[in-house]
Amino acid sequence: GDSVTQMEGPVTLSEEAFLTINCTYTATGYPSLFWYVQYPGEGLQLLLKATKADDKGSNKGFEATYRKETTSFHLEKGSVQVSDSAVYFCALSELGGGSNYKLTFGKGTLLTVNP
Amino acid sequence: GAVVSQHPSWVICKSGTSVKIECRSLDFQATTMFWYRQFPKQSLMLMATSNEGSKATYEQGVEKDKFLINHASLTLSTLTVTSAHPEDSSFYICSAPRASGGETQYFGPGTRLLVL
Repeated sequence: GDSVTQMEGPVTLSEEAFLTINCTYTATGYPSLFWYVQYPGEGLQLLLKATKADDKGSNKGFEATYRKETTSFHLEKGSVQVSDSAVYFCALSELGGGSNYKLTFGKGTLLTVNP
Repeated sequence: GAVVSQHPSWVICKSGTSVKIECRSLDFQATTMFWYRQFPKQSLMLMATSNEGSKATYEQGVEKDKFLINHASLTLSTLTVTSAHPEDSSFYICSAPRASGGETQYFGPGTRLLVL
């Protein structure tokens, strides 16, 4: 079945440091790829997505490129802020039974950014 | 963006009792909602797909008689944990795509269940 493997945390960085969170996947078809973020006390929010190979998703300074050849979707940000402290989930989406897309998640990576 | 709410956010119950968790889409109609379970330091595991007006579809290994799902309206799905036991203690999260068959899902804030 489909699976997502992401870098285990926790990750602790100083403000303005460079961030990379690795994510690789296995899938039978051609999934869309997502990064979701969960801020403390809140639900998961979509951060960015890419729907086909070589697409780059970006939002709030975060970027990730869909690499089919390496089955990867690594999350990067050039300069993190304290407000970026959260849990980040990599996920893939494929059509399941019927007409619904199903999400498969990685385990999540806790990021803490210190001032 | 789309908003999904859950109620309650936190519940403690005695072993053997049943607990109902509500998931509501606040500014859109959702013919489909999803229920997930999250264990500490684990990923979200899809439990079932809730379909308005029809039976829920359960993932392999999830007991449908244990986790009753009712999708009574286009904005409400409920998950009832029947005869709860301590091993049912977990974080339960719902989500819904804004458009029917849509790929991007919107998540509720989750419900923490503790069974004593």
